[in-house]
Amino acid sequence: AQSVTQLDSQVPVFEEAPVELRCNYSSSVSVYLFWYVQYPNQGLQLLLKYLSGSTLVKGINGFEAEFNKSQTSFHLRKPSVHISDTAEYFCTVSGSQGNLIFGKGTKLSVKP
Amino acid sequence: EAQVTQNPRYLITVTGKKLTVTCSQNMNHEYMSWYRQDPGLGLRQIYYSMNVEVTDKGDVPEGYKVSRKEKRNFPLILESPSPNQTSLYFCASSGKFRAHTEAFFGQGTRLTVV
Repeated sequence: AQSVTQLDSQVPVFEEAPVELRCNYSSSVSVYLFWYVQYPNQGLQLLLKYLSGSTLVKGINGFEAEFNKSQTSFHLRKPSVHISDTAEYFCTVSGSQGNLIFGKGTKLSVKP
Repeated sequence: EAQVTQNPRYLITVTGKKLTVTCSQNMNHEYMSWYRQDPGLGLRQIYYSMNVEVTDKGDVPEGYKVSRKEKRNFPLILESPSPNQTSLYFCASSGKFRAHTEAFFGQGTRLTVV
């Protein structure tokens, strides 16, 4: 069965600093991975996705993630964060039924 | 504009009073689903639908019903709400079942059952 573990529930960081949000997955089948972002009082929107091909995936708003099969990880990174990046981030794996299996979320708090 | 629309955004109700949360998408998507979001638990799938008249249970279906009579609509029904169903609910749609495509989410419905 597929599962997702987000290793940090909260990540505080200062503006313009780099950030990494960590995600490990477990899957016995082909892996399809996503990062979604939820801004305060809004729904979720897709940041980026890995379906196949290059292991370095670039998404919106300057975020990128690297798929590492040997370490079963899909960490999200941004070299320089802004206040507007304050949000909750969800690592997600596509299950064998095509459903989305979510991690418990990481709250990124960017401080001035 | 491609979107998933949920109504209402906020709802306070009393235990046992039946309610329906509507969800509509304008992207001709086959796959629709409902999730609930609770602090520290992430999003958990309640029910999903692979197409019209085809629905199935997700991870936490107890106390909920759904129907899919039209492709664009997927309402969530709470026949007898209880306080443990107080949560933030999201409807989502995507192109095809098992296609591993992007899911589009509604804005959410914050339900309080007292």
